Formats: sequence, structure tokens, C-alpha cells
Amino acid sequence: AQSVAQPEDQVNVAEGNPLTVKCTYSVSGNPYLFWYVQYPNRGLQFLLKYITGDNLVKGSYGFEAEFNKSQTSFHLKKPSALVSDSALYFCAVRDGGGGGNKLTFGTGTQLKVEL
Amino acid sequence: NAGVTQTPKFQVLKTGQSMTLQCAQDMNHEYMSWYRQDPGMGLRLIHYSVGAGITDQGEVPNGYNVSRSTTEDFPLRLLSAAPSQTSVYFCASSYSRTNTGELFFGEGSRLTVL
Repeated sequence: AQSVAQPEDQVNVAEGNPLTVKCTYSVSGNPYLFWYVQYPNRGLQFLLKYITGDNLVKGSYGFEAEFNKSQTSFHLKKPSALVSDSALYFCAVRDGGGGGNKLTFGTGTQLKVEL
Repeated sequence: NAGVTQTPKFQVLKTGQSMTLQCAQDMNHEYMSWYRQDPGMGLRLIHYSVGAGITDQGEVPNGYNVSRSTTEDFPLRLLSAAPSQTSVYFCASSYSRTNTGELFFGEGSRLTVL
């Protein structure tokens, strides 16, 4: 079975400061990892993914994520936060060995960026 | 390009009533799925389909029924609604069942069961 843990329900950061949203995962095979963002009353939007290759993945809106196999983590980062980054962020995983495109999502982390 | 379209956006039902949540995509995606989103629980997979005529159960399938007669449409049926089915429902699709690409989500359908 595959699973994702997002240990923080909420992350608060001041605008202009770096931000990190944490994610750890568990899969039986090679992990395919994703980050999605959800703005109020909207569907989820894809930010970035890790399939293979470089451990540092760059995505939309200046976000990046670092894959760490030994720590089974895939933390989302941004060097300088904006108020407009405030949203709900979901980490997701699937087993790259098969099982279709069934993603397992974490419980989400609410990011609040304040002036 | 409409992407993934869900209807209705809001619905209130009484316990025991039935209804269908509609999902349509115009991207020729093979893979389609339904998730429900509940506070503190993230998104949980209800049912999914890897192509027309093929459906399978996800993590929380009880109380829901699906069919996939065309590539474009993937309706979710609630046969006898229960208060535990109060939730926000999302339909999502992607290019291929083995694809490493992202899911495209609809805007969601908010269902309240009284």
C-alpha cells in the first residue's frame, strides 16, 4: 500500500521569507511524487512532479521540491513567499511499478503567507 | 478548452434520495477518477476508470456506483444518500493509465445530505 504524510496542518510564513511544506511517503516500488495546490472553492492544480532524475524538481510559480530517497521525503520549497501563495497544498504519491494513475494524497497543509 | 467539467456545483439531498454527479472531459483522456475531499482526511479515491467500459474500485467505494460508456463521461451515482456522504467531490482525468503525468481536476461538486 502507498501512503503520504503531511505532518503540519498549517504553515505560517512572512512574505519574502523562504517556505517549506513537508511531505513523507511510503510505497513498495519506485515513487512517483506530486505536489498540488488548491485555492478556495477550486479544484486542485498541478505544481510539480518527481519521476526520476535530478532530486531537485522545479515547478510552477517558483516552487521547487527536493526528493530524498533515504529519508523518503519530498518537501515543497520556495525561496521567497508571496501572499498570493496562501492556499492548501497536497502531496501525492503513486507506485511507479503499476496500478494505473491512482494517486494517494496526503491530508493537506494550509499555507498562510502574511505581510 | 473546457478541461474537466463537473455538474452540479452544489446539491442538497435528503437521506435515501439518489442522484448522479456528472463529469465530462474534452481532452481525450483514458483515465478518469472520482475523489471525495473531507476536512482532515485529504482526498480519497472512490472509483476510477482506465478506459471506456472499464471501471474499478478505489479506497472508499461503498455507496457509490460508476459507469464509463464513453471516453468523455464518467458519472458518479449515489443510490441511497446518507449523511456520511456529505462531502466535496472531485473528478480528475489524465492522458493514460500508465502515464506519469498529472491529474487534471474539475472544480468540484459540494454535496450535503440531510
